[in-house]
Amino acid sequence: SQQGEEDPQALSIQEGENATMNCSYKTSINNLQWYRQNSGRGLVHLILIRSNEREKHSGRLRVTLDTSKKSSSLLITASRAADTASYFCATDGDNDMRFGAGTRLTVKP
Amino acid sequence: DGGITQSPKYLFRKEGQNVTLSCEQNLNHDAMYWYRQDPGQGLRLIYYSQIVNDFQKGDIAEGYSVSREKKESFPLTVTSAQKNPTAFYLCASSLSSSSGRIYFEQFFGPGTRLTVL
Repeated sequence: SQQGEEDPQALSIQEGENATMNCSYKTSINNLQWYRQNSGRGLVHLILIRSNEREKHSGRLRVTLDTSKKSSSLLITASRAADTASYFCATDGDNDMRFGAGTRLTVKP
Repeated sequence: DGGITQSPKYLFRKEGQNVTLSCEQNLNHDAMYWYRQDPGQGLRLIYYSQIVNDFQKGDIAEGYSVSREKKESFPLTVTSAQKNPTAFYLCASSLSSSSGRIYFEQFFGPGTRLTVL
């Protein structure tokens, strides 16, 4: 079964706007990761945030983690058309990592 | 170049046939994984291996088989017992997490799209 669930399922914004995607999970975790997938391609790792961290930045990406609410958010600032992709959160399960169904982001030029 | 490769990119299978998907990595990673992705869906784990000569079933292992004879290779066979194999298959590798529930980033191959004719 999947551990993380992303929200919304799909998001459409204009270039230059910020995009926020959320991930909720059910059981305690050691870390949470965000990945990106361009259509028909493999996934690319974006950020890993550990359970004792609350916020992490990487370029235009900002990830927050609230373990009390069992949720995480991914913020992409000043979005570009090239950010169009699906974004997945992944959390550690019993013996492996579990991926959610993803948020499909479309950035219109 | 370090990375993970999958072949072929596209694969067509007739009903009743077994097919094998290749996955090779030169990242010196102990752990390797196979996922299945259906249109508009997330990834579902088929099999994973934390070390050579050992592998574990994931959530949807029925109709699939794997081997891990070499550290760099983790081929997946889709058998005729898999009734609905048409999907996008992704292979990944990472540092091993066998020491505990601390997981590392996974590096993904470009995928193989399997279609049953």
